[in-house]
Amino acid sequence: GIQVEQSPPDLILQEGANSTLRCNFSDSVNNLQWFHQNPWGQLINLFYIPSGTKQNGRLSATTVATERYSLLYISSSQTTDSGVYFCAVSNFGNEKLTFGTGTRLTIIP
Amino acid sequence: DAGVIQSPRHEVTEMGQEVTLRCKPISGHNSLFWYRQTMMRGLELLIYFNNNVPIDDSGMPEDRFSAKMPNASFSTLKIQPSEPRDSAVYFCASSITRTEAFFGQGTRLTVV
Repeated sequence: GIQVEQSPPDLILQEGANSTLRCNFSDSVNNLQWFHQNPWGQLINLFYIPSGTKQNGRLSATTVATERYSLLYISSSQTTDSGVYFCAVSNFGNEKLTFGTGTRLTIIP
Repeated sequence: DAGVIQSPRHEVTEMGQEVTLRCKPISGHNSLFWYRQTMMRGLELLIYFNNNVPIDDSGMPEDRFSAKMPNASFSTLKIQPSEPRDSAVYFCASSITRTEAFFGQGTRLTVV
């Protein structure tokens, strides 16, 4: 099946810093989503981005499908951004989402 | 829309007991997924349905696990008999086929 790798595994930043999270995948995809799992365990949808670039406030994401990677940018980090960020993909002919192992982000006040 | 609704939120049961987890997908969504999250294995798909039909159950760990979707607005995941290694957070998600999936708040299962 498709493999999903995320980097870095852990990231500790001061409040106000910017960060870039990366997701590499091993095959062509027709679905790519970024999720934030908050400290209460909820999986919150950030972006549905099988290709192209999207922005939502301080967050933006870019997927380069031909090169099999996606990036999530967080600017001006806040403590509420802490948690685990997951990338999940599915490829053509198979609807199931395969998750990466996540990036644990900790924002220090 | 209320989103994907799961119940119960927390379940503590004794080894050997039957456990039933419930899910109500978002109205109008025709794909439903059951995932399990553990520290060791991360988020893994157990089974998914499309138009109430099971499409891929290759992630169901063994015969102790079963899932049903009797109609478009309800699904259950049953574990019988439960074992301590089944302790995990179980998520249900739904989508319109091949589009963005949305997750419920999860059921935290503890088997003692």
